[in-house]
Amino acid sequence: QKEVEQNSGPLSVPEGAIASLNCTYSDRGSQSFFWYRQYSGKSPELIMSIYSNGDKEDGRFTAQLNKASQYVSLLIRDSQPSDSATYLCAVDNFNKFYFGSGTKLNVKP
Amino acid sequence: NAGVMQNPRHLVRRRGQEARLRCSPMKGHSHVYWYRQLPEEGLKFMVYLQKENIIDESGMPKERFSAEFPKEGPSILRIQQVVRGDSAAYFCASSYGTGDGEQYFGPGTRLTVT
Repeated sequence: QKEVEQNSGPLSVPEGAIASLNCTYSDRGSQSFFWYRQYSGKSPELIMSIYSNGDKEDGRFTAQLNKASQYVSLLIRDSQPSDSATYLCAVDNFNKFYFGSGTKLNVKP
Repeated sequence: NAGVMQNPRHLVRRRGQEARLRCSPMKGHSHVYWYRQLPEEGLKFMVYLQKENIIDESGMPKERFSAEFPKEGPSILRIQQVVRGDSAAYFCASSYGTGDGEQYFGPGTRLTVT
């Protein structure tokens, strides 16, 4: 069983729609959770961190964490073509990061 | 530029040669992490270092790979006797410290073994 699981996609949404990206993790002791965006050929860029159950909003992005279900999600509102990228979920377990394999998002104009 | 620096950005080596990848963490960060990413795959953790200490090297191959983070200077990831399977993007990330888990990535080094 992988530490962090993501649907590889691609997830296609029309411009202006809400994109919903999901991630599950296996270690109940994990404390910190992160979403990174990676454009093709580029390095990962941190877009959201979340540490407690519930929602955290930052602009068009909302991260949701449910520790009981071991589930993390990222919502992108008003999706733009520039949001097209691979989104990586990461889980911090005593400072060892486990990354999911990423979900590729395509936002169609 | 206060970001994570990596060099070289591209490195070509022939089989059997050595590759040295360098990483300077973000200003104020004392924790460095190395990751490898194969094409169309996710990031794989290799090693976590603090100044002069290897904290976790559980992701490092047992042979040919080594890493250091000396008191002065950048962190170095060294690959001896490279093989074609070592061709990948190698990313370095840094963080402020324990408990602040946010890691910030450098631009990566693309290693090609011919």
